[in-house]
Amino acid sequence: DAMVIQNPRYQVTQFGKPVTLSCSQTLNHNVMYWYQQKSSQAPKLLFHYYDKDFNNEADTPDNFQSRRPNTSFCFLDIRSPGLGDAAMYLCATSIRDRGRDTQYFGPGTRLTVL
Amino acid sequence: TQLLEQSPQFLSIQEGENLTVYCNSSSVFSSLQWYRQEPGEGPVLLVTVVTGGEVKKLKRLTFQFGDARKDSSLHITAAQPGDTGLYLCAGGLNLIDGGSQGNLIFGKGTKLSVKP
Repeated sequence: DAMVIQNPRYQVTQFGKPVTLSCSQTLNHNVMYWYQQKSSQAPKLLFHYYDKDFNNEADTPDNFQSRRPNTSFCFLDIRSPGLGDAAMYLCATSIRDRGRDTQYFGPGTRLTVL
Repeated sequence: TQLLEQSPQFLSIQEGENLTVYCNSSSVFSSLQWYRQEPGEGPVLLVTVVTGGEVKKLKRLTFQFGDARKDSSLHITAAQPGDTGLYLCAGGLNLIDGGSQGNLIFGKGTKLSVKP
């Protein structure tokens, strides 16, 4: 089945220790998104790739970076995680369609910062 | 600033009751998506509506998109404990409306608890 896969599902890191979360998709969608979600809140968009074009949200901290080496994979790098970065990180994909994009989410990675 | 007001924020009901969740905005959306999310999991798409006045049904769930494409509702008939979760509405904007093409505007979510 076509899907969005996130690894790992659970990640524990130490304060200040860089961490990378990964997302892969078999949907062949041209857009990939990274969201941060804190407890019982709506997902907050960090950035997205439209093909190879990177689009950063204005309020996304510099601590968060992303890479998309090919259509199928996208990575979220947190350079120096702080306690406030503990959250669920969601990857989503879509096909760009004049604002009618339907986004499909992965299962998420729960990040714990010690 | 585009906002999508979702209400109620919390809802606790008994099995068998009906409920409605609302999403309202002053912005016109090209599409409106509803998701359901369980704890520790990603949001799962329930439906996408794109036409003003559109009504879609998914078993006991009925979704409606307002005629002006500014609002939407989700109605659940005879709720069951398995319906428990966080329901999110999200509106899509195109460049004509001033939004970032393809990005979604999320409501704050409705946390539904259905007790047996």
